[in-house]
Amino acid sequence: QVQLVESGGGVAQPGRSLRLSCAASGFTFSAYGMHWVRQAPGKGLEWVGGMSYNGSHLNYVDSVKGRFTISRDNSKNTLYLQMNSLRAEDTAVYYCAKSRRAYCSFSTCYGFFDYWGQGTLVTVSS
Amino acid sequence: DIQMTQSPSTLSASVGDRVTITCRASQSISGWLAWYQQKPGKAPKLLIYKASSLEDGVPSRFSGSGSGTEFTLTINSLQPDDFATYYCQQYNTYSWTFGQGTKVEIK
Repeated sequence: QVQLVESGGGVAQPGRSLRLSCAASGFTFSAYGMHWVRQAPGKGLEWVGGMSYNGSHLNYVDSVKGRFTISRDNSKNTLYLQMNSLRAEDTAVYYCAKSRRAYCSFSTCYGFFDYWGQGTLVTVSS
Repeated sequence: DIQMTQSPSTLSASVGDRVTITCRASQSISGWLAWYQQKPGKAPKLLIYKASSLEDGVPSRFSGSGSGTEFTLTINSLQPDDFATYYCQQYNTYSWTFGQGTKVEIK
């Protein structure tokens, strides 16, 4: 069955970096777009960024552009989120999420998510 | 970016009730809308995509409708397992956005 397991969360000081990982299993990882979605404590969902299955599209929410970088290693079935210059407002549970459709790179094709990980908490505090 | 606005923010209902949640987009998104259910401490679950297509395994009491800028999620005969927070999400453009959520609580 499909499993997505995030790791790498923890406490970081403002301005520091963290790298999150999402280990995928149970499906052909290289065929699907993957995303990161976050949820601040007691708040709603915020899409952070996503990468199409073939890497041809890579997009971020404005608030993280230039600070966060998404990458994927299809040989390891793993998605990454490198977070630099962390701010207090980045404090959230970070979920990785799998696109519903395979072999899609258009926004209307890979932009909704059928499986999510359990999330990993990132706390940015001095 | 496209803004998504849900109403109401909170809804009190009883088991057996019919519940409707509205989601409005700041510009037309055609039918590129998904609905998710989230329970406390859990990851969201996909319910509906393309405005009205029911995800596999989701009970038929859930339905979605709408196009353009106005959409609805309807739950017929609310069940105890349905008390949760519901989010709409547009995927019309490459900057995907969620609504702020609607919490369905027990009356």
